[in-house]
Amino acid sequence: AQRVTQPEKLLSVFKGAPVELKCNYSYSGSPELFWYVQYSRQRLQLLLRHISRESIKGFTADLNKGETSFHLKKPFAQEEDSAMYYCALYMEETSGSRLTFGEGTQLTVNP
Amino acid sequence: EAQVTQNPRYLITVTGKKLTVTCSQNMNHEYMSWYRQDPGLGLRQIYYSMNVEVTDKGDVPEGYKVSRKEKRNFPLILESPSPNQTSLYFCASSPTSFSYNEQFFGPGTRLTVL
Repeated sequence: AQRVTQPEKLLSVFKGAPVELKCNYSYSGSPELFWYVQYSRQRLQLLLRHISRESIKGFTADLNKGETSFHLKKPFAQEEDSAMYYCALYMEETSGSRLTFGEGTQLTVNP
Repeated sequence: EAQVTQNPRYLITVTGKKLTVTCSQNMNHEYMSWYRQDPGLGLRQIYYSMNVEVTDKGDVPEGYKVSRKEKRNFPLILESPSPNQTSLYFCASSPTSFSYNEQFFGPGTRLTVL
């Protein structure tokens, strides 16, 4: 069963515009969610985690348990934000604990 | 430098020819994992290991094997590769499997099976 869904595979905005990357999840336990980012020719790296309630590079994400969402937002997009973004859900299962990823959203910020 | 390394970075092979992709980390991490990345499907976990000699299947383990004989290494083995295993493979590690631990990713291995 799909546990993390990112409905937009591609998202294109202009520099300075607000951006929102959507993430919805399905999990019976207490969710712990993350956003990972992969810039061109770089490794996948952690952007932020909901438990920290932090803002990284101007991005924030709020866990909405009612809507089972963890959307990533930034009020003013920059060209250097262009990258592939993955939402990830930490799950504890009987066989062990692990991270499951969504399909990813490719964000392009145009000048 | 603390990092996860993978070898080879690029590999073209033929159906049925056994291959191994190595993964090594120098951060003394307990938890290691293999993912494959395919367009439109995102990252899918193949196998993971919570510690030495402890491995478990992820979401797409068919056609793959792993071993964890030592803490730093977690090789991915394809006994009889098939074209549907053409993909970009990532190894990752974290200090433990606990949720607050960030996963550190390797640079990726692009595999083509003809």
